[in-house]
Amino acid sequence: QSALTQPRSVSGSPGQSVTISCTGTSSDVGGYNYVSWYQQDPGKAPKLMIYDVNKRPSGVPDRFSGSKSGNTASLTISGLQAEDEADYYCCSYAGSYTVVFGGGTKLTVL
Amino acid sequence: QVHLVQSGAEVKKPGASVMLSCKASGYTLTYYYMHWVRQAPGQGLEWMGIINPSDGSTHYTQRFQGRVTLTRDTSTSTVYMELSSLRSEDTAVYYCARGSGNSLSGYWGQGTLVTVSS
Repeated sequence: QSALTQPRSVSGSPGQSVTISCTGTSSDVGGYNYVSWYQQDPGKAPKLMIYDVNKRPSGVPDRFSGSKSGNTASLTISGLQAEDEADYYCCSYAGSYTVVFGGGTKLTVL
Repeated sequence: QVHLVQSGAEVKKPGASVMLSCKASGYTLTYYYMHWVRQAPGQGLEWMGIINPSDGSTHYTQRFQGRVTLTRDTSTSTVYMELSSLRSEDTAVYYCARGSGNSLSGYWGQGTLVTVSS
C-alpha cells in the first residue's frame, strides 16, 4: 500500500491554530475510523496524540483534536505553543491487519 | 506500567541478517498484537509487520515479504524481528509498538539503530 499524503511542512505563530491533513483512499483512511496521529521529537520514539480519528489519550492537551472527512483526516492544534514544534505522522488501518503511515509533517512554531 | 525494551544497536554487512528483540513488561504479552515500524535517517515512519503473540500468526507489508520474520517467545515475553539480505537502505531505527485494536498504541520501544555498511 502507498503512504498516506501529508504536507511536508506547516507553520504557525504562538497562539494560532494549524491543521495538518492526511489523505488516503477508501481502502485506508476512508474505509475505517482507525486514524491516529503521532508527534515525534528528534531522536525520540513517536508519541500518540490522537487515536480512532478523534480520541485523545490521557495527558494529551485538549488543544489537539482530530477529525475525518471522506478519505482525508486532519489534526488541528489550537493555541499553538513552542513545545508543539515537532514532526507529526498520521497512521491508518488499511485492512487485513495492515497499517500505513503518512510521510510526516514538520511543524514549525514561528 | 507497560514497558517495551529493545535490544542494542547493531552494525551489519550487506547481505547479512539481523535479529532484534523487544521485551514486554507490565502486561501479558499474548493479550495484544505487536507491530514493528522502522525509520530511516531523516525519513518517515514505515510499517513493517505485525505478530499475534497468542498464536504466532504474522502479517507483513508486501515490501518486506520474504525478508522479514516476526517470532515470539511467550516464556520470556519477548518478540523478535529478523531481517535478512540486508542492504544499505535498511539502515534505520527499528521500533516495536504494542497494538491497540486495529491501530498502534502509545506504547513503543526505545528503538534500535541498525547500520548496514561494508
